[in-house]
Amino acid sequence: KQEVTQIPAALSVPEGENLVLNCSFTDSAIYNLQWFRQDPGKGLTSLLLIQSSQREQTSGRLNASLDKSSGRSTLYIAASQPGDSATYLCAVQKHNNNDMRFGAGTRLTVKP
Amino acid sequence: GAGVSQTPSNKVTEKGKYVELRCDPISGHTALYWYRQSLGQGPEFLIYFQGTGAADDSGLPNDRFFAVRPEGSVSTLKIQRTERGDSAVYLCASSLHGTANTGELFFGEGSRLTVL
Repeated sequence: KQEVTQIPAALSVPEGENLVLNCSFTDSAIYNLQWFRQDPGKGLTSLLLIQSSQREQTSGRLNASLDKSSGRSTLYIAASQPGDSATYLCAVQKHNNNDMRFGAGTRLTVKP
Repeated sequence: GAGVSQTPSNKVTEKGKYVELRCDPISGHTALYWYRQSLGQGPEFLIYFQGTGAADDSGLPNDRFFAVRPEGSVSTLKIQRTERGDSAVYLCASSLHGTANTGELFFGEGSRLTVL
């Protein structure tokens, strides 16, 4: 069974810092990996999706990398802002349109 | 609609009651998923529909939980004889189907269920 782990569970940084969130998964036979953002009391907002054949995806200040063979992904956030404060979740999908397995998330706080 | 819509946004019920939660996916999305999220945890898979049929219901915790999608669009998650442990946020997601799609999931805002 696929297990997804996110480290750290919580992270607090001052505004302007660059930071890295980590995600690891036990079964490397994945179809894709998706990073989400969740604000308190809200649903999940998709940030980046990396197909299994890809190494990384970028969107604005966000960059996600994937090393399938080692079962790892990182989400890099450049020049962090207080508005980036949220919980960041990664999820892996084994086959197209089957369910995604989620990590417990990293709760990020960016202090002004 | 423009996004995944879930109703109600909040539901408070008493132990033992029956509850229905509704999900209206993005128009044209044939795949629909239900997840459950407890406080401080990531979403936990419940059931996945491809069209009208449940392709994978392995995440449903027991036979008190049931979901339908009779016309391949709107889905209803039904919980019988609710228990306090059923309290959670129930999330619905949808995605396109087909070899050309990315499998990207789009989530609704969730239905927060509280069982007293």
